Amino acid sequence: GENVEQHPSTLSVQEGDSAVIKCTYSDSASNYFPWYKQELGKGPQLIIDIRSNVGEKKDQRIAVTLNKTAKHFSLHITETQPEDSAVYFCAAKNNDMRFGAGTRLTVKP
Amino acid sequence: EADIYQTPRYLVIGTGKKITLECSQTMGHDKMYWYQQDPGMELHLIHYSYGVNSTEKGDLSSESTVSRIRTEHFPLTLESARPSHTSQYLCASSEWTGPGGELFFGEGSRLTVL
Repeated sequence: GENVEQHPSTLSVQEGDSAVIKCTYSDSASNYFPWYKQELGKGPQLIIDIRSNVGEKKDQRIAVTLNKTAKHFSLHITETQPEDSAVYFCAAKNNDMRFGAGTRLTVKP
Repeated sequence: EADIYQTPRYLVIGTGKKITLECSQTMGHDKMYWYQQDPGMELHLIHYSYGVNSTEKGDLSSESTVSRIRTEHFPLTLESARPSHTSQYLCASSEWTGPGGELFFGEGSRLTVL
């Protein structure tokens, strides 16, 4: 089955800096790669996703890149703000969704 | 905003009690899930359902049980709660054949067993 690894587990950046979270997956048949943000006391919410026929996708300050050959994908957050502080999960889906272990991002004012 | 609701949000009970965590969605989704989230953040799939009268065990073994009598409702039950069941439980749903396959999560039920 699919195995998703996510790094780093914790990330602390200064406000205004960029943050990058990386994930690798094992199942070459996976074709959908979402990123979820979980704020304190809430359930995870989808913030951006990418499909296997696309290499990069951007939405304002967040972007995702996908390298199918290497089986890795990344989340990039630019100009970080304190409200970006949360836990972020990557996931890969073929038939079933598999989540990474999560990254706790802290943005220091 | 996702239309998926969990109750209770917080529950503190004593050992040996029976509890049911409720989950309802109004999106008509066929597939529903229960995840257990430990303090270390990781999401562990404990149950899922393809539709009415379908229930399957997930990757993480759990003493809880689920039922799916109606499309919109997927309750999780613990017959005799123990301190080891203390955790955050997240319910989610998705379209069975949706092109994106996005999971919509509820806000979670935080269970503490004393």
